[in-house]
Amino acid sequence: ETAVFQTPNYHVTQVGNEVSFNCKQTLGHDTMYWYKQDSKKLLKIMFSYNNKQLIVNETVPRRFSPQSSDKAHLNLRIKSVEPEDSAVYLCASSYWGGREQYFGPGTRLTVL
Amino acid sequence: QQNVQQSPESLIVPEGARTSLNCTFSDSASQYFWWYRQHSGKAPKALMSIFSNGEKEEGRFTIHLNKASLHFSLHIRDSQPSDSALYLCAVRGSALGRLHFGAGTQLIVIP
Repeated sequence: ETAVFQTPNYHVTQVGNEVSFNCKQTLGHDTMYWYKQDSKKLLKIMFSYNNKQLIVNETVPRRFSPQSSDKAHLNLRIKSVEPEDSAVYLCASSYWGGREQYFGPGTRLTVL
Repeated sequence: QQNVQQSPESLIVPEGARTSLNCTFSDSASQYFWWYRQHSGKAPKALMSIFSNGEKEEGRFTIHLNKASLHFSLHIRDSQPSDSALYLCAVRGSALGRLHFGAGTQLIVIP
């Protein structure tokens, strides 16, 4: 099956903990993205990578860091989570310059 | 900085109705326009796109773009309960530019 896969589906943690989310795509794309979808459903881009190189880094707190091992994988680490980090984190992929982005099902993070 | 706005925020329609969703954008140089659909708990998925002024129809769905008015819309003919979802419009300024999303319209179609 060709798609964008994310793990875990859900994660509940406490303020100050570190969390990591994984994303893998089997579509053969060379560009991957992390988006944050807040409680009002607004989608905002956080990072994008092309062939393992960071090309977009929106103004996000420094506790967020993306990690790319190859063009099919893009993980997201959050050091010392805050309550405002509670959201759904969506991973997406596309061809560089391609018109459509393909999304994963998301990881819902709840920070207590 | 691109500003994308959607209206209405939510919409409840009976099965069989014609539904219209609206999206406005602020950057007149924008070139690529999408509608994504996100069912509850699922991934957003591209529904339709348009890249030049005018209208495009695919089945029950029609997308209309008016760049001069900084506006595009999605029309659903004969709405079905399975159309119930969050509809997100997205705009891109260039082929290598980032996607800017609106906050979405939550559509509920009542059987």
